[in-house]
Amino acid sequence: KQEVTQIPAALSVPEGENLVLNCSFTDSAIYNLQWFRQDPGKGLTSLLLIQSSQREQTSGRLNASLDKSSGRSTLYIAASQPGDSATYLCAAEDSGTYKYIFGTGTRLKVLA
Amino acid sequence: DAEITQSPRHKITETGRQVTLACHQTWNHNNMFWYRQDLGHGLRLIHYSYGVQDTNKGEVSDGYSVSRSNTEDLPLTLESAASSQTSVYFCASSRGLAASTDTQYFGPGTRLTVL
Repeated sequence: KQEVTQIPAALSVPEGENLVLNCSFTDSAIYNLQWFRQDPGKGLTSLLLIQSSQREQTSGRLNASLDKSSGRSTLYIAASQPGDSATYLCAAEDSGTYKYIFGTGTRLKVLA
Repeated sequence: DAEITQSPRHKITETGRQVTLACHQTWNHNNMFWYRQDLGHGLRLIHYSYGVQDTNKGEVSDGYSVSRSNTEDLPLTLESAASSQTSVYFCASSRGLAASTDTQYFGPGTRLTVL
């Protein structure tokens, strides 16, 4: 059974810092891995999707990497801003079923 | 613009009552999903559908049911609400493309309280 873990659960950093959020999964037979952002009281917004054949994806200040063999993905946020404050969730798609297994998230606070 | 909506956004009900949460998407997506989000558990899949007349159980389906009579809607019914079902419920949809590239789009959520 796929399990997804995110460390740390919470993170507080000063504005401008580069930071890395970690996601690990137990079953390497995933079809893709997706990173989401969730603002308080809101739904989830997709940030980046990495297909199983890819190593990384980039969008603006965000870069996500995927290492299936080690069961790990990282989300790199460059030059963090207060507007980046949110909860970041990773989700692994379970073997082509379109079903996602979610981690419990990392709650990020960027201090001005 | 295409979107996914949920109603109501907030609901308070009593133990034992039947409750239905609505989910409507205008993207013409094949796949639709219901999740619940609780502190310490993240999002857990309740039910999902790959198309009209198709429904499947997720990991926490006990006490819940869904039906898919058209492409746009997947209502979630709590047959007899229990306090353990107090949660935030999210609906999501995806096109049903090749699985490796399929992105899920989420609704704004429904906060349900069962007293």
